[in-house]
Amino acid sequence: AQKITQTQPGMFVQEKEAVTLDCTYDTSDPSYGLFWYKQPSSGEMIFLIYQGSYDQQNATEGRYSLNFQKARKSANLVISASQLGDSAMYFCAMREGTTGTASKLTFGTGTRLQVTL
Amino acid sequence: DSGVTQTPKHLITATGQRVTLRCSPRSGDLSVYWYQQSLDQGLQFLIQYYNGEERAKGNILERFSAQQFPDLHSELNLSSLELGDSALYFCASSVGVGAQDSYEQYFGPGTRLTVT
Repeated sequence: AQKITQTQPGMFVQEKEAVTLDCTYDTSDPSYGLFWYKQPSSGEMIFLIYQGSYDQQNATEGRYSLNFQKARKSANLVISASQLGDSAMYFCAMREGTTGTASKLTFGTGTRLQVTL
Repeated sequence: DSGVTQTPKHLITATGQRVTLRCSPRSGDLSVYWYQQSLDQGLQFLIQYYNGEERAKGNILERFSAQQFPDLHSELNLSSLELGDSALYFCASSVGVGAQDSYEQYFGPGTRLTVT
């Protein structure tokens, strides 16, 4: 079974509008972390935002916010006021456990976001 | 700039050959992770080192090996290369200390390997 599911292979959004990228996850570990990364066409992976499973509030970082619904096992990324530079591939990832030193990330298949004028 | 460096940026080699990819983590980071990104497999975790010791292994082929040196830089060795090994190889680093689970992994720019 997929641990991280991103059901939107591609999304379009108009400049200055908000967009939500979906991510659902599957884990039986009570302690886990959820991440979003951005991969522009140049290829690098850019960390955007993190949400811990015990965090009471949704994470926010500038124009990025994470809509964390624990019971539904979803961790959607919301980008407000989209900019042309937001056009990229977006990956949701999960780290399970709190061992701290052995903590691989499991990635979803990604969503390609295209921001239009 | 994440602070993680990887060399080389691009590598073109023939089947059957052996290559070494190098990674220098961010200053202060003790954990190094290797990931492979290919069109058919997506982003997959290969292996993690923490302060010189192997800590976790993913779907890493036996033809692949890695190590982390005392200065914390890491090398990923790929041997008997096949066409299917063509991919973008990322190194990431994190503090990776204690039971904190809020630290992020910072990725390097990647090494694009093309096997012909």
